[in-house]
Amino acid sequence: DTEVTQTPKHLVMGMTNKKSLKCEQHMGHRAMYWYKQKAKKPPELMFVYSYEKLSINESVPSRFSPECPNSSLLNLHLHALQPEDSALYLCASSQSRGETQYFGPGTRLLVL
Amino acid sequence: LAKTTQPISMDSYEGQEVNITCSHNNIATNDYITWYQQFPSQGPRFIIQGYKTKVTNEVASLFIPADRKSSTLSLPRVSLSDTAVYYCLVGYYGGSQGNLIFGKGTKLSVKP
Repeated sequence: DTEVTQTPKHLVMGMTNKKSLKCEQHMGHRAMYWYKQKAKKPPELMFVYSYEKLSINESVPSRFSPECPNSSLLNLHLHALQPEDSALYLCASSQSRGETQYFGPGTRLLVL
Repeated sequence: LAKTTQPISMDSYEGQEVNITCSHNNIATNDYITWYQQFPSQGPRFIIQGYKTKVTNEVASLFIPADRKSSTLSLPRVSLSDTAVYYCLVGYYGGSQGNLIFGKGTKLSVKP
């Protein structure tokens, strides 16, 4: 298995909702990442997990809460989002932190 | 982290060879050069990575001059399906470093 999967593919939520994005990989990678990508812009790093511990938080607002329950799974919990948080959310993984990253297909999020 | 500069866009025709050059004047000794391809609403896909001289795989070649201040991604005989955004990234692999910063990318349009 050489892919990163993300669910759901699309998500529409209101500003008062709580939702979660899920990312899974079965390549034995020990580093996992969340990126945010707005239309026609490059991906921006949000969080980095290394060996299931949060090692980087790029000053992301607390309404985004990452979680790494095990080495294969990465979640991003969303609460009280704003319309400007609408974007493509990408998950990636790598053998270890700093090595080549492999990306999932992303979750397209729309906040109303 | 080394900053990269790429052309914003390039046009080509099917069957032609396309060369996309990336400048990274302040590349560090431990930095590798990695190229990703991204289609609309999909995650970036790893294309090729190198440190110096020339690297070739089944989809592309990467040329890196001796001073490593630039690199060129070469796509042989492009097709319409190669229309995408191509990102050049420079980063340190290994140790506690290795966060990848995406530049603006090059939007390649292949015409029939």
